[in-house]
Amino acid sequence: DADVTQTPRNRITKTGKRIMLECSQTKGHDRMYWYRQDPGLGLRLIYYSFDVKDINKGEISDGYSVSRQAQAKFSLSLESAIPNQTALYFCATSENARTGGNNEQFFGPGTRLTVL
Amino acid sequence: AQKVTQAQTEISVVEKEDVTLDCVYETRDTTYYLFWYKQPPSGELVFLIRRNSFDEQNEISGRYSWNFQKSTSSFNFTITASQVVDSAVYFCALIPFNYGQNFVFGPGTRLSVLP
Repeated sequence: DADVTQTPRNRITKTGKRIMLECSQTKGHDRMYWYRQDPGLGLRLIYYSFDVKDINKGEISDGYSVSRQAQAKFSLSLESAIPNQTALYFCATSENARTGGNNEQFFGPGTRLTVL
Repeated sequence: AQKVTQAQTEISVVEKEDVTLDCVYETRDTTYYLFWYKQPPSGELVFLIRRNSFDEQNEISGRYSWNFQKSTSSFNFTITASQVVDSAVYFCALIPFNYGQNFVFGPGTRLSVLP
């Protein structure tokens, strides 16, 4: 079974709709991340969470919100989707170097979101 | 601030050729990790290698090799005898060791290996 899972894997929606992307992990990591990938721009960080009570904005958080429901779950919401949020979204987890990890990030399979 | 540059946007080679993907980084931190990830056409991100900043030994894994040079802030990736299955987008990434820092990805290099 995959260590980091994302649902849905593909989603097509309309402008103005509320969308939630979900991420679950079985790695036991404290840190979780949401990225979006656009052609030619690599991965850009949207939000990250170092534990259940610690949520931080990343480089491009406008138009997004997150919820860390448990150590293993981190959801990304688009309150009112717009076409330029069409992208490939990745969830990732990592273990803090201070607790024995090496900051390597483990990625989910990605969610391809299209906003019409 | 951290930054990762992959100047080669796209590279095309013919199968069995060697190819080097460049990665140049900027950071003020003295301790950091560098990574390479592969993204095949199916879209998932595949971890290839992690290198910490105090280990400048080059590494070879099969047809893959990595040349880390701290003096030039570069972490280049070479594929020897390329194969069609190597066709993918390759990302270089940097993360400082300090608590609270996050990954910075390069924009990626799309490698096409032609038969």
